[in-house]
Amino acid sequence: KNQVEQSPQSLIILEGKNCTLQCNYTVSPFSNLRWYKQDTGRGPVSLTIMTFSENTKSNGRYTATLDADTKQSSLHITASQLSDSASYICVVSAWGSQGNLIFGKGTKLSVKP
Amino acid sequence: DTAVSQTPKYLVTQMGNDKSIKCEQNLGHDTMYWYKQDSKKFLKIMFSYNNKELIINETVPNRFSPKSPDKAHLNLHINSLELGDSAVYFCASSQGALGGETQYFGPGTRLLVL
Repeated sequence: KNQVEQSPQSLIILEGKNCTLQCNYTVSPFSNLRWYKQDTGRGPVSLTIMTFSENTKSNGRYTATLDADTKQSSLHITASQLSDSASYICVVSAWGSQGNLIFGKGTKLSVKP
Repeated sequence: DTAVSQTPKYLVTQMGNDKSIKCEQNLGHDTMYWYKQDSKKFLKIMFSYNNKELIINETVPNRFSPKSPDKAHLNLHINSLELGDSAVYFCASSQGALGGETQYFGPGTRLLVL
């Protein structure tokens, strides 16, 4: 069964600190993995997208890594800001899925001053 | 200009009623989607249309019927609403539907069935 699991479920950090969010998946055949940021009351916004041949991809203070062998990904946030408070969702796509994405439950990040 | 817009933003209605949610995208994309996000925040796809043709139809009750009058619009009509239909419904769009495209999401429609 295609699944995406994320940890931790929630995380509280102080402004300026770094943090790393984890994602494990069992989607097959793997096509790509994305990280989305979802602010409260808003729709998800794409941060990064990686295919199996990419190990890392950055978008500003966000750096995603992918290990296709162990089927794990991480999202590292550097020098966190209050505006980083949101849910971060790991999403995996399978080949031939015609856009049918498998979503994780997300990690709810709270950045405190 | 909002890339993917949905109306209404909030919808409160009684059980048994019929309601529609509208979605429009001005990105020139050819593929549009409807997702349901339940109380546990799980996003799950319901339907996908590519060039006005249905390409994904997950296990969704027949009470839900999508309609795509043109590539820029994908509306969702729900008959005989039930309590379990309460959720946030997101519309999204992408250029292509091979699986590698970025999907752009609307702001969501919060449906509460009483």
